[in-house]
Amino acid sequence: DVKVTQSSRYLVKRTGEKVFLECVQDMDHENMFWYRQDPGLGLRLIYFSYDVKMKEKGDIPEGYSVSREKKERFSLILESASTNQTSMYLCASSLIIGTDYGYTFGSGTRLTVV
Amino acid sequence: AQTVTQSQPEMSVQEAETVTLSCTYDTSESDYYLFWYKQPPSRQMILVIRQEAYKQQNATENRFSVNFQKAAKSFSLKISDSQLGDAAMYFCAYRSGGYSGGGADGLTFGKGTHLIIQP
Repeated sequence: DVKVTQSSRYLVKRTGEKVFLECVQDMDHENMFWYRQDPGLGLRLIYFSYDVKMKEKGDIPEGYSVSREKKERFSLILESASTNQTSMYLCASSLIIGTDYGYTFGSGTRLTVV
Repeated sequence: AQTVTQSQPEMSVQEAETVTLSCTYDTSESDYYLFWYKQPPSRQMILVIRQEAYKQQNATENRFSVNFQKAAKSFSLKISDSQLGDAAMYFCAYRSGGYSGGGADGLTFGKGTHLIIQP
């Protein structure tokens, strides 16, 4: 089975801190994604990457950046965390070809910014 | 841009009964994929069922089936013989079918339906 692993399940950070959320997948998938999940809003795409060092903005990229130095790893960076970034963050991966099989998700990181 | 609408924030069903979750979407594309994902309290998003837009036959996976009405842009999920383990958030999602060459776009999700199973 494809595994997508997010490094932290729960995280508490202070306002203004630089925050790194890490995601690793083990099946050589080209695509990787970061979503934010909030009650009543569903999942919203922050950024995605279709290859090493390539990245594309999603629907809500403001306040975030990403890094993909290796194919298996996709990092989400909050340059200066704010309380409105308190949320659940989900990482996902997929193949470019055959993406009708959907995406594989990690278990999420619940980030609280205080 | 595509949108996905789930009009039922919460549904409740008796164990062993059948329940249908609604989903509508808006797109100008002819080639796309539709998905239903389940998210239990463990938070792991699990793919329940998928449908290719070019296929007229409705997808079925054991107790889960869809009613795909392309002209109406409707994609409902039917769960038969509901079980306690079916309790979860259910998300309908859309993905463009075209291969852009530069990579794939992400899934567009609805806001979810919270399914409660009454024992």
